Amino acid sequence: NAGVTQTPKFRILKIGQSMTLQCAQDMNHNYMYWYRQDPGMGLKLIYYSVGAGITDKGEVPNGYNVSRSTTEDFPLRLELAAPSQTSVYFCASSLNRQGRENQPQHFGDGTRLSIL
Amino acid sequence: DQQVKQNSPSLSVQEGRISILNCDYTNSMFDYFLWYKKYPAEGPTFLISISSIKDKNEDGRFTVFLNKSAKHLSLHIVPSQPGDSAVYFCAAKGGFQKLVFGTGTRLLVSP
Repeated sequence: NAGVTQTPKFRILKIGQSMTLQCAQDMNHNYMYWYRQDPGMGLKLIYYSVGAGITDKGEVPNGYNVSRSTTEDFPLRLELAAPSQTSVYFCASSLNRQGRENQPQHFGDGTRLSIL
Repeated sequence: DQQVKQNSPSLSVQEGRISILNCDYTNSMFDYFLWYKKYPAEGPTFLISISSIKDKNEDGRFTVFLNKSAKHLSLHIVPSQPGDSAVYFCAAKGGFQKLVFGTGTRLLVSP
């Protein structure tokens, strides 16, 4: 029962490099989310998706892109890495249906990303 | 502009005693509140939630209280156990399933 799986767990990038953070869930959840957590701060929403083919911006989307081609996967893309993107990234998912809108989000263990 | 605030960065409690973690919010449109627990190098784990139509929700040792007029919620853990030592995040649903998180309170329960 894997839940939400994120890869890689750690990564060091150079300024200007690009990479994709992978996220997969096996709970058949329709909603998926990407957050970042900076030291001493709460989680901030980067992007979210309500289903395959549908994505939207969260609070801090600049410098990131997402896609959702399947229900299970929700990769996060950094095109031109900048030091300000050094953070811990968390992916989450939830099952939301009409009449059951208030459902908790379930999180992966995060990807710690350093950009030097 | 912090819509969800946890003003105590840390809390120390003895085993067996009550732990009370507090959270304040500013947006009266929030309709669902959650508490998450986080251990180092792991993702947040859902603990307990409360809808804005209720003022209390219990689950075993954990109780969440909501005071809408004061825009305040609290998490009570009774009795506290050393395994409860973690960072606790308060979160509020800000519309369309978007969660707004507080900055967290680090709880240390000593034997």
